[in-house]
Amino acid sequence: DQQVKQNSPSLSVQEGRISILNCDYTNSMFDYFLWYKKYPAEGPTFLISISSIKDKNEDGRFTVFLNKSAKHLSLHIVPSQPGDSAVYFCAAMGNQFYFGTGTSLTVIP
Amino acid sequence: NAGVTQTPKFQVLKTGQSMTLQCAQDMNHEYMSWYRQDPGMGLRLIHYSVGAGITDQGEVPNGYNVSRSTTEDFPLRLLSAAPSQTSVYFCASSLGRDEQFFGPGTRLTVL
Repeated sequence: DQQVKQNSPSLSVQEGRISILNCDYTNSMFDYFLWYKKYPAEGPTFLISISSIKDKNEDGRFTVFLNKSAKHLSLHIVPSQPGDSAVYFCAAMGNQFYFGTGTSLTVIP
Repeated sequence: NAGVTQTPKFQVLKTGQSMTLQCAQDMNHEYMSWYRQDPGMGLRLIHYSVGAGITDQGEVPNGYNVSRSTTEDFPLRLLSAAPSQTSVYFCASSLGRDEQFFGPGTRLTVL
């Protein structure tokens, strides 16, 4: 049973606009959440994280929002750039890491 | 620092063969793990280790063995390969319950 879900397999956004990637989880015991970015034929690379005691974390163009009551987190990328085109995975930490299925983001120049 | 290295990059096996996927890190990380990535399934945890001599099972451990004799190395053994084990395998390491650093992956095909 998938404990971390990314219900949108793909997303296309115009360059300069906002990209919003969503992630839902089922286990209220998760206390740390992360986003990873993956290019083809490479390993995932860490992007940004958030602890369950916070509801927002910003790092440059990337912001992660956490809504614990809804068990939902989102990643905002503003402004989106063509180099952001990649697969994005959300992950949650409980006794081990659980990853979502990924969302493929395409930023159109 | 080389970070996390994995060998081989590509491997083709026949059903029933055994092999070991190598993973090494030079960051003195205690936490290491193995994932497989399959289309539509995301990254699924196979086994993980919180330190030398300590290993535990993840979501999909069947058909795989691991050991952790040193902090640096965390090999993944396929005892008797099956076509269902065709996948891309990633090794990762971290200081603890923190961001993980991933290797470049091993693409395995089992015929």
